[in-house]
Amino acid sequence: DSGVTQTPKHLITATGQRVTLRCSPRSGDLSVYWYQQSLDQGLQFLIQYYNGEERAKGNILERFSAQQFPDLHSELNLSSLELGDSALYFCASSVEEDSPLHFGNGTRLTVT
Amino acid sequence: GENVEQHPSTLSVQEGDSAVIKCTYSDSASNYFPWYKQELGKGPQLIIDIRSNVGEKKDQRIAVTLNKTAKHFSLHITETQPEDSAVYFCAASKMNRDDKIIFGKGTRLHILP
Repeated sequence: DSGVTQTPKHLITATGQRVTLRCSPRSGDLSVYWYQQSLDQGLQFLIQYYNGEERAKGNILERFSAQQFPDLHSELNLSSLELGDSALYFCASSVEEDSPLHFGNGTRLTVT
Repeated sequence: GENVEQHPSTLSVQEGDSAVIKCTYSDSASNYFPWYKQELGKGPQLIIDIRSNVGEKKDQRIAVTLNKTAKHFSLHITETQPEDSAVYFCAASKMNRDDKIIFGKGTRLHILP
């Protein structure tokens, strides 16, 4: 168990809808990262936060947004969902920005 | 930006034999190279990592080698066992506050009985 908690584990929703994925980092970790994993694809970096502040952005769509709260948990908001957004979404955390990442078990999003 | 290529995409080896997975990276400033193992239904788990100031690191049956000049690094698993079956990802990073870890596309390793 990595200590990173993601909820929900599964999410099924319709096109056009909006969902929120939640991540609780390991105790003491200040940095949170979000990755998307589609079928037969690697891990695509979306966005990183450090102690509540956005640090780096990857290939994150404008329909997607995230934030990290004062208690260090993070939420990834996906809106105007499309079929192609169906994927596994992983959250990872690290103690500092130059420390190894520890991943949660992901949220599987299915858009129908 | 950094680009990480990983080969092969699928690898089948007989139980007890060795498995080797290779990765190349494009940014010569990258200095941290972790390997992750992802089992079905789980998130990637860090299994070993290496920094650019060493050429090789070993942890029981797993070893990683790094060739900075050629910009490639490899994962070696010896005496493979059924529980080694998983998807393995390599990654590269400059490990500073403005950088992010870039992953390869993964290798699906099958250990054959």
